[in-house]
Amino acid sequence: DAKTTQPPSMDCAEGRAANLPCNHSTISGNEYVYWYRQIHSQGPQYIIHGLKNNETNEMASLIITEDRKSSTLILPHATLRDTAVYYCIVRVGGKNNNDMRFGAGTRLTVKP
Amino acid sequence: DSGVTQTPKHLITATGQRVTLRCSPRSGDLSVYWYQQSLDQGLQFLIQYYNGEERAKGNILERFSAQQFPDLHSELNLSSLELGDSALYFCASSAYAGGGTEAFFGQGTRLTVV
Repeated sequence: DAKTTQPPSMDCAEGRAANLPCNHSTISGNEYVYWYRQIHSQGPQYIIHGLKNNETNEMASLIITEDRKSSTLILPHATLRDTAVYYCIVRVGGKNNNDMRFGAGTRLTVKP
Repeated sequence: DSGVTQTPKHLITATGQRVTLRCSPRSGDLSVYWYQQSLDQGLQFLIQYYNGEERAKGNILERFSAQQFPDLHSELNLSSLELGDSALYFCASSAYAGGGTEAFFGQGTRLTVV
């Protein structure tokens, strides 16, 4: 799996959009981009994933650049409860593939 | 609620002992992953199973072993425990083994070795 690079920490004002970048410059054509978050010591929570196209769900939007070398997770209206460590990972597609490894992630702090 | 159940939630044991952590995946999920998270550390991938077979192995110690049973639940066995094994242990499950499907995590087992 390709490796990802994320800033170690970011701050965001409550009610504003939080834009979390992720660099995955060595991503392969069949690798998906995934985002998870971990609030304190809880189990990581799935947020969103995508392959090529931008994706949106009730939690967030995922913007993937045309060359797929980077992506941005957008939390449109951050709340204090969005304070967490956010992980960007890439995984090869298909049914018969491999593990899911996490990096250090970005610690997002939403401030009042 | 992710649908992934881990038991027990908390476990305190002495050095040198052996423990078994259990994971019940979401209904229909074939793949199970195990992770270790020490205090203020990242998630370390240990091992993955898919439909009963080992699929990938991470930095899992030889003192640790795992298996996935025919009913798809999985167990992580930790033996000859050391103080440094104190950590949160998470299990995740997904429908398949690869990308394109999301994985969901349990709430973890907090192991304390004294």
